[in-house]
Amino acid sequence: GAVVSQHPSWVICKSGTSVKIECRSLDFQATTMFWYRQFPKQSLMLMATSNEGSKATYEQGVEKDKFLINHASLTLSTLTVTSAHPEDSSFYICSARVTGTTGELFFGEGSRLTVL
Amino acid sequence: AQSVAQPEDQVNVAEGNPLTVKCTYSVSGNPYLFWYVQYPNRGLQFLLKYITGDNLVKGSYGFEAEFNKSQTSFHLKKPSALVSDSALYFCAVSPLSGGYNKLIFGAGTRLAVHP
Repeated sequence: GAVVSQHPSWVICKSGTSVKIECRSLDFQATTMFWYRQFPKQSLMLMATSNEGSKATYEQGVEKDKFLINHASLTLSTLTVTSAHPEDSSFYICSARVTGTTGELFFGEGSRLTVL
Repeated sequence: AQSVAQPEDQVNVAEGNPLTVKCTYSVSGNPYLFWYVQYPNRGLQFLLKYITGDNLVKGSYGFEAEFNKSQTSFHLKKPSALVSDSALYFCAVSPLSGGYNKLIFGAGTRLAVHP
């Protein structure tokens, strides 16, 4: 099956710094990728839809300037948490669908962000 | 509003017994339906999906799910549970209104299989 890789898996940063998380589709092209956030013992919340070569589409309530998304190629999307604060600590998961298909999304392994 | 309900926070099953994890949805039209499994500190793994056709869908690791349109349900089942099936299970729907691009997740059900 299709493989989605996220990096880093774990990151700890100081309050006020920025953190970049990468999401790569390893063996397929993904025009669209999705970023989710998962709080402890809760479900996944869609943050934004990342579109290759264009601006991301953010869900209601998600701060565009706080969570910067760039989808520069058909295999890479990045999420940058700017000026991170402890409340941004969470598990961030990306997903992608093979371009031109409908059906299941393939998920990365997730990135756990801890802001001190 | 579109939503997915997983009424049970946790399901406890003895190894070897059949298991059912429930899911109902409130989405207009004919959505695509999915089940995913998540192990601790990991991403989600795809188990199975229903798009059209036979109401009984077979997926990975011996899991299956039955689509019931009249009850808007998509319950996950397995005839004989294994301890290794213990994990967090998410039901998800992809509505037509989102171009089948977005997934709406349920809250998740933790499955605990006891030896």
